[in-house]
Amino acid sequence: GNSVTQMEGPVTLSEEAFLTINCTYTATGYPSLFWYVQYPGEGLQLLLKATKADDKGSNKGFEATYRKETTSFHLEKGSVQVSDSAVYFCALPLKTSYDKVIFGPGTSLSVIP
Amino acid sequence: NAGVTQTPKFQVLKTGQSMTLQCAQDMNHEYMSWYRQDPGMGLRLIHYSVGAGITDQGEVPNGYNVSRSTTEDFPLRLLSAAPSQTSVYFCASSYSAKGNEQFFGPGTRLTVL
Repeated sequence: GNSVTQMEGPVTLSEEAFLTINCTYTATGYPSLFWYVQYPGEGLQLLLKATKADDKGSNKGFEATYRKETTSFHLEKGSVQVSDSAVYFCALPLKTSYDKVIFGPGTSLSVIP
Repeated sequence: NAGVTQTPKFQVLKTGQSMTLQCAQDMNHEYMSWYRQDPGMGLRLIHYSVGAGITDQGEVPNGYNVSRSTTEDFPLRLLSAAPSQTSVYFCASSYSAKGNEQFFGPGTRLTVL
């Protein structure tokens, strides 16, 4: 079946450290892949996306590359800031079904000065 | 555009009480959905709608009702609140259900005593 596996946190980093949050998926066909971010007290918002293999999504210094061969979509940022403290969700929207966006469990990131 | 709005932001209920969580969007999106977010569980789909007059169940529909009389509004009703319904509830909308970005409201934090 379709699923998303995401590294669980919490993750605590110092400011300017390198960030990687792993995400792997299982799906039929070639779905789009998303990363959403949830800042404290807010709803989720789309951070970046990729719609086909080898696509690289990027936004706010974050990047993720759609790797078909490893079925992965890892989120990276070269230098995190305190303002990046949030929960990050990898998501798999299914194009064949009306009722499914599969979200990973979320990874909580805390960046300390 | 206001995007997706939800009211109330916080609510405390006693077991057995009923209430309606309001959700509205001004983006003319066809697809709307309700999720609940619980610690360690990620987001779970409660109900969804693919257009006015059409609703269907998600993965955790028990204890909740929905209706979709207009494109803009998608209220979620708790008929007889239970402590297990203590959660944060998010409404989301998208242009279509198949593989598109979802826009989330700010959430309603519900506590059932």
